[in-house]
Amino acid sequence: SQQGEEDPQALSIQEGENATMNCSYKTSINNLQWYRQNSGRGLVHLILIRSNEREKHSGRLRVTLDTSKKSSSLLITASRAADTASYFCATDGAAGNKLTFGGGTRVLVKP
Amino acid sequence: EPEVTQTPSHQVTQMGQEVILRCVPISNHLYFYWYRQILGQKVEFLVSFYNNEISEKSEIFDDQFSVERPDGSNFTLKIRSTKLEDSAMYFCASSPDRGDQPQHFGDGTRLSIL
Repeated sequence: SQQGEEDPQALSIQEGENATMNCSYKTSINNLQWYRQNSGRGLVHLILIRSNEREKHSGRLRVTLDTSKKSSSLLITASRAADTASYFCATDGAAGNKLTFGGGTRVLVKP
Repeated sequence: EPEVTQTPSHQVTQMGQEVILRCVPISNHLYFYWYRQILGQKVEFLVSFYNNEISEKSEIFDDQFSVERPDGSNFTLKIRSTKLEDSAMYFCASSPDRGDQPQHFGDGTRLSIL
């Protein structure tokens, strides 16, 4: 079965720095999505990138997708303390809308 | 902005008891989902629901689990006879349609089985 695996598992940066995290998966996808989860809260959708797209931007977020390497990256530019959260990639496979999540990257942004 | 709401936020139940977790998806959404997250582990898909029937389910979603849309707004997950290993955060989600659509998640119900 397909799996999203994030790397690194944890990241600690200073406010204003950029944060980059990566995700790898194993099987064909329709799209790949990134979600944020604050402690004790639900998952908040950040960005969706389709299998035929290579890069997408949304505000301070930049996502890339390399289907030949089965990998994606999420870049958060000019990080803020409020960006402190866990970030998950999730793949939507060819069979339908079931999302398969990775283990997440815990990001700590120090003020 | 419309949101998915889940109740209760925390449910404590004795092993072997039945539990019903409730969700109100976003009103114009057509697809509904349940996921769970055992402490320290990945978020796992349980079931998707469309047009009043299950469209896909995982191996976790065995005969002890059922879902229902009893009226035009609620979407419920029932666990018939709870086990210790059912302790987890349960998330409900909805999406407008299938295809390249983001899923909108509720804040979850923390289920603790004693």
